[in-house]
Amino acid sequence: DADVTQTPRNRITKTGKRIMLECSQTKGHDRMYWYRQDPGLGLRLIYYSFDVKDINKGEISDGYSVSRQAQAKFSLSLESAIPNQTALYFCATSDWNQGRVREQFFGPGTRLTVL
Amino acid sequence: DQQVKQNSPSLSVQEGRISILNCDYTNSMFDYFLWYKKYPAEGPTFLISISSIKDKNEDGRFTVFLNKSAKHLSLHIVPSQPGDSAVYFCAASAGDYKLSFGAGTTVTVRA
Repeated sequence: DADVTQTPRNRITKTGKRIMLECSQTKGHDRMYWYRQDPGLGLRLIYYSFDVKDINKGEISDGYSVSRQAQAKFSLSLESAIPNQTALYFCATSDWNQGRVREQFFGPGTRLTVL
Repeated sequence: DQQVKQNSPSLSVQEGRISILNCDYTNSMFDYFLWYKKYPAEGPTFLISISSIKDKNEDGRFTVFLNKSAKHLSLHIVPSQPGDSAVYFCAASAGDYKLSFGAGTTVTVRA
């Protein structure tokens, strides 16, 4: 079984709809991240959470919100989706306690299309 | 403004030859650098990393070189194999442990 799972894997929605992307991990890591990937831009950080009570904005948080329901779960919401939010979204985790906090482990991604 | 740049979107190399991927950065606070590999329909996977206190790190066929004065790092893959065909992302981190990624380089290994 995958250590970092994302649901759904693919989603097509319409402008103005509310969308939630979910991420779960079984690695026991304390830190979780949401990124989006766009062609020619690489991965950009949307939000990150160092523990359940600590949530921080990344470089492109406008139009997004997150919820850290438990150590293992981190959800990304688009309150009112717009076409330029069409992208590949990745969840990632890292582990402070293991001393390799800089290495992040990624889920398989969610391809979101907003029409 | 992108702080990590991979100026070559693609690279084609013959099987058995060396692949050299380049990455430049602008933020002098970056002190840890990573390379990730990504196959289609999968998430990026960690490949190799280097701390700013080193100038070289080697792991099997993969070697990363860091030139701090030039703010440049490179990834060497020797010898290149068909399974190395993927997108490679360079990433950098400062003390806050967030990663800044480059746009990626698509490597194609020809038989």
